[in-house]
Amino acid sequence: DSGVTQTPKHLITATGQRVTLRCSPRSGDLSVYWYQQSLDQGLQFLIQYYNGEERAKGNILERFSAQQFPDLHSELNLSSLELGDSALYFCASSVTMTSMEQYFGPGTRLTVT
Amino acid sequence: GDSVTQMEGPVTLSEEAFLTINCTYTATGYPSLFWYVQYPGEGLQLLLKATKADDKGSNKGFEATYRKETTSFHLEKGSVQVSDSAVYFCALSEANAGGTSYGKLTFGQGTILTVHP
Repeated sequence: DSGVTQTPKHLITATGQRVTLRCSPRSGDLSVYWYQQSLDQGLQFLIQYYNGEERAKGNILERFSAQQFPDLHSELNLSSLELGDSALYFCASSVTMTSMEQYFGPGTRLTVT
Repeated sequence: GDSVTQMEGPVTLSEEAFLTINCTYTATGYPSLFWYVQYPGEGLQLLLKATKADDKGSNKGFEATYRKETTSFHLEKGSVQVSDSAVYFCALSEANAGGTSYGKLTFGQGTILTVHP
């Protein structure tokens, strides 16, 4: 158990809908990362937050957005969902924004039908 | 941009066999290198890391040496067990000359390892 929690574990929704994925980092970690794992794209970095502020952006679509709240939990919002958004979404956390070690949550599996 | 290339899988071995999973990278700057493991139904776990050239990372019998001259970080284990069956990811994180990481990880495509008794 990494100490990173993600909810829900599974999510099934229809095209065009909007969903919110939630992540709670390990106690004491200030930085949160979101990654997407899909069969065709592999594991890709989406976005990083540190202490409530966005620090780095990767291959995140404009339909996706994220935020980190004062209690340090983070949410990833996915809207106007398409079939291709079906993937496993991982959250990871680290102590600082430059820490070498990231601790991954168990992931949320999103299926868009 | 940065990239990581892993040997294609899946890899199937018998218990106690020798394991090598190749990993090469392309990066500017001073990358740190990692191997992560993903067991079925779980998130990724850091297996080992190396932060500079010629460093050897090791954990649970696995080893990998950071080879700057060949831009490689191959994973090895002398004697695999059934419990090692998992997906293995090579990854890098860019860092500056002082060793401060830029945070985000760039992953290879993953290699599925299956070990039979």
